[in-house]
Amino acid sequence: GNSVTQMEGPVTLSEEAFLTINCTYTATGYPSLFWYVQYPGEGLQLLLKATKADDKGSNKGFEATYRKETTSFHLEKGSVQVSDSAVYFCALGSSNTGKLIFGQGTTLQVKP
Amino acid sequence: GAGVSQSPSNKVTEKGKDVELRCDPISGHTALYWYRQSLGQGLEFLIYFQGNSAPDKSGLPSDRFSAERTGGSVSTLTIQRTQQEDSAVYLCASSLNGSGGKTYGYTFGSGTRLTVV
Repeated sequence: GNSVTQMEGPVTLSEEAFLTINCTYTATGYPSLFWYVQYPGEGLQLLLKATKADDKGSNKGFEATYRKETTSFHLEKGSVQVSDSAVYFCALGSSNTGKLIFGQGTTLQVKP
Repeated sequence: GAGVSQSPSNKVTEKGKDVELRCDPISGHTALYWYRQSLGQGLEFLIYFQGNSAPDKSGLPSDRFSAERTGGSVSTLTIQRTQQEDSAVYLCASSLNGSGGKTYGYTFGSGTRLTVV
C-alpha cells in the first residue's frame, strides 16, 4: 500500500542555518505530494505541493521537488528563522479518493 | 463559513461514555475527511465523505466509531463507550471535491482534543 516515511526528529538548528527534512514515499500510480506545517497551538496548514514528477513546490522560502526516480519529496529552506519552529508533515495524495497519507511528522526547533 | 469549524475544541469524558464531535466544513466543499492525531502516532485517516455518502471508511478503528454527514455539510463523529486509547486530537478537513488529495490539498479545522479519563 501507499506509505510515507519522514526523517525522525526533533531537528534543532540555529537561526539562518540550512534546513533539509527528508521524505520518501511508496505509491502506485501518480500521487500528488504535500508538505503541511503545524505551528504550536495551531491547526495544520498546507505549506506547499507538487502534483507531478519534477514539479517544484515553494512557499515562504521553503521548497520541495517531486523526484519520481528516488521517490522523494525533501523539504528545504536556505535560512531558517525562529518563527519556522513547528511540526512538518509530508503527505501523499490518493488519486482515487482524495485521501491523504501522512508521515509521522518532524519537529523543527530553531534557536536564536 | 470562512474556514473549517470544529466543536468542541476540548472534551474531557469518562471512560465508557459516548461522545459526539462536530465538523462544519467550508461552504461548497463536497469532500470531508476525519483524521486522528495521537501523540507520537502522526495523523491517522478515519473516514472520507463525498457529499453525504462515505466511500471510504477504512480507517475507523472499531465499531465503536461511526460518522455521518447530513445535507452535504455538517458531519458528526461519534465514539461510543470511549476508552483511554481514544484520547487524541480529532481533525476534520474539507476539500472542494474528492480531488483534494490529488490536486488541492485540504483545509483543516483546529481539531477537538479528546481526553478520556
